[in-house]
Amino acid sequence: DSGVTQTPKHLITATGQRVTLRCSPRSGDLSVYWYQQSLDQGLQFLIQYYNGEERAKGNILERFSAQQFPDLHSELNLSSLELGDSALYFCASSPSGGTSGADEQYFGPGTRLTVT
Amino acid sequence: ELKVEQNPLFLSMQEGKNYTIYCNYSTTSDRLYWYRQDPGKSLESLFVLLSNGAVKQEGRLMASLDTKARLSTLHITAAVHDLSATYFCAVAPSSGTYKYIFGTGTRLKVLA
Repeated sequence: DSGVTQTPKHLITATGQRVTLRCSPRSGDLSVYWYQQSLDQGLQFLIQYYNGEERAKGNILERFSAQQFPDLHSELNLSSLELGDSALYFCASSPSGGTSGADEQYFGPGTRLTVT
Repeated sequence: ELKVEQNPLFLSMQEGKNYTIYCNYSTTSDRLYWYRQDPGKSLESLFVLLSNGAVKQEGRLMASLDTKARLSTLHITAAVHDLSATYFCAVAPSSGTYKYIFGTGTRLKVLA
């Protein structure tokens, strides 16, 4: 158990809908990362937040957005869902957000999203 | 654009054998990470390599980093069935960004 929690574990929804995925980082970690893992795209970095501020953006679609709240939990919002958005979404956390090279990321169990 | 390539993509090996997984990346980086993922599970951090020549070992796994060659290796010694998993390397460019780029993964199957 990495100490990172994600809810829900599974989500099934229809095309065009909007969903919110939630992540609670390990105690004391300031940085949260979001990743998408699918069979055709592999593991893709979406976005990183550090202490409430966006720090880095990866291959995140405009239909997707994220935020990190004052208590450091994070939410990933996916809207106008398409079939191709079906994937496993992971959240990870790290203590300092990459300012220290030894900043390991600890991954949550993931949310499996199925868009029908 | 930073690219990270792993090979092989699939590896089936007998227990007791040795093998090496390679991770090549296309731009300068001084931070390289190895992760393990079991089927249907999350990613587990194995190694963090921070400098040229860094070598780390844990059990039957040893990782090394050659920043000049832009190459990291994950060496498996005397494989056992429990090592069956998918292994990913990930690279963070040394340009100061925090965009971690993952390799394609190597699916390892150790046969008894």
